[in-house]
Amino acid sequence: EAQVTQNPRYLITVTGKKLTVTCSQNMNHEYMSWYRQDPGLGLRQIYYSMNVEVTDKGDVPEGYKVSRKEKRNFPLILESPSPNQTSLYFCASSHRQGGEQYFGPGTRLTVT
Amino acid sequence: AQKVTQAQTEISVVEKEDVTLDCVYETRDTTYYLFWYKQPPSGELVFLIRRNSFDEQNEISGRYSWNFQKSTSSFNFTITASQVVDSAVYFCALRNNMGDDKIIFGKGTRLHILP
Repeated sequence: EAQVTQNPRYLITVTGKKLTVTCSQNMNHEYMSWYRQDPGLGLRQIYYSMNVEVTDKGDVPEGYKVSRKEKRNFPLILESPSPNQTSLYFCASSHRQGGEQYFGPGTRLTVT
Repeated sequence: AQKVTQAQTEISVVEKEDVTLDCVYETRDTTYYLFWYKQPPSGELVFLIRRNSFDEQNEISGRYSWNFQKSTSSFNFTITASQVVDSAVYFCALRNNMGDDKIIFGKGTRLHILP
């Protein structure tokens, strides 16, 4: 089944404790993105990747890192999480620029 | 700068009524793509439609229809004969095709269909 998976689905952590949210797609898509969703703000793009080893900042990259060592994986790294990074995070992939995105199920992160 | 505005934060209609969700965008690019996504109460994001900037044909899919007008930079979504299952948050999004892959979403419109 074609899908985008994210892990974990739920995470509660403390300020400053490094964490990684994994994202994997099995559709051989070149394009991947990370978003955060906050009430009243919609989805905002954090980082995107147009291919292996090609990543760039979206609208809200501060406090986040990403890597794209393999085509299928696009982990999101929070080196020192803060409470303002409490949010719902979505990973997405698409097979072409301008194409529709397929979204993962979301990761709800709480930083205390 | 790119921008997507969904001015309607929340809409409530009675089942079987028609409802239109507005989306207005701004971009300086000549080639771009517009999308609508649905987020039902279960939380997943579901793709509904994609439109490129060179195709202004309106589209109909069952009870759903989309009106793309470049002259007014709008890409509106109409649900005809609404049903309770249409209750969701709907997002409009803009994606360019000019070297980067920045994607801008509107803030969404929460649609309540009342039985």
